[in-house]
Amino acid sequence: ETAVFQTPNYHVTQVGNEVSFNCKQTLGHDTMYWYKQDSKKLLKIMFSYNNKQLIVNETVPRRFSPQSSDKAHLNLRIKSVEPEDSAVYLCASSYRPGNYAEQFFGPGTRLTVL
Amino acid sequence: QQKVQQSPESLSVPEGGMASLNCTSSDRNFQYFWWYRQHSGEGPKALMSIFSDGDKKEGRFTAHLNKASLHVSLHIRDSQPSDSALYFCAAVMSNYNVLYFGSGTKLTVEP
Repeated sequence: ETAVFQTPNYHVTQVGNEVSFNCKQTLGHDTMYWYKQDSKKLLKIMFSYNNKQLIVNETVPRRFSPQSSDKAHLNLRIKSVEPEDSAVYLCASSYRPGNYAEQFFGPGTRLTVL
Repeated sequence: QQKVQQSPESLSVPEGGMASLNCTSSDRNFQYFWWYRQHSGEGPKALMSIFSDGDKKEGRFTAHLNKASLHVSLHIRDSQPSDSALYFCAAVMSNYNVLYFGSGTKLTVEP
C-alpha cells in the first residue's frame, strides 16, 4: 500500500516531557511537511523538507525539531512540551516544491498535554 | 493575520442539494489554490486545484476563481451524506509548495 503513515495515533503526556512522532511515506515523493491542527481545526504549516534538507521553518518554537533520515521519513521531536502543544500533528508529502504538487496527508498524531 | 479567509463557518444542505463554499485571499502573491476535504479522524485529502480565471469542473465539484478579487469558491451539486466533512481552501506559496489553509467550512448533508 502506498500512502503516508504516522505513529503513534495518540499520545498523552505531561508538561515538560519530551515526545517524538514518526512519519513515513511510500509514495516516492521527495518533499515532506509537518502541519499542526489545533482544537479549532486551524491548520498551519510548521516545517518542510526536500531531500532531507530543511526548506521551510514557519516561526515554530525552538522546542520543536524535525529530523529526516532519508526522503521517505520525517520525524518530529518536541522537547519539554507545553499545554499549547496539544493538537493533531499532520505529516504530508508531495513531489518537489515549486510545482504546486498535490500534498498527501497522513491520518495525524493527536497529542494531549496534561 | 490569516492569509486565507473562508465562509461560511458551517453549512447544512439537504441530500441532493447544492453546497457553495467561499474563500478569499488577502495576499496577491497567492495565485494557485486547492480545495481539501477532511473527514473526522482522517487527514485532509485534495479535491481539486485551480489557478486560471473561471470555472473548473470535476464530477459533482466545480471550483471558480476570480484572480482580480482573489476569490475562490467551491460548489458541490447533488450533495450526498458522504460529503459531510470539513472543507478547506488553501493557497500555495509557489517556491516551496507550502499550503496556507483557511479556517474551514463544516458541511453537513442531511438525508
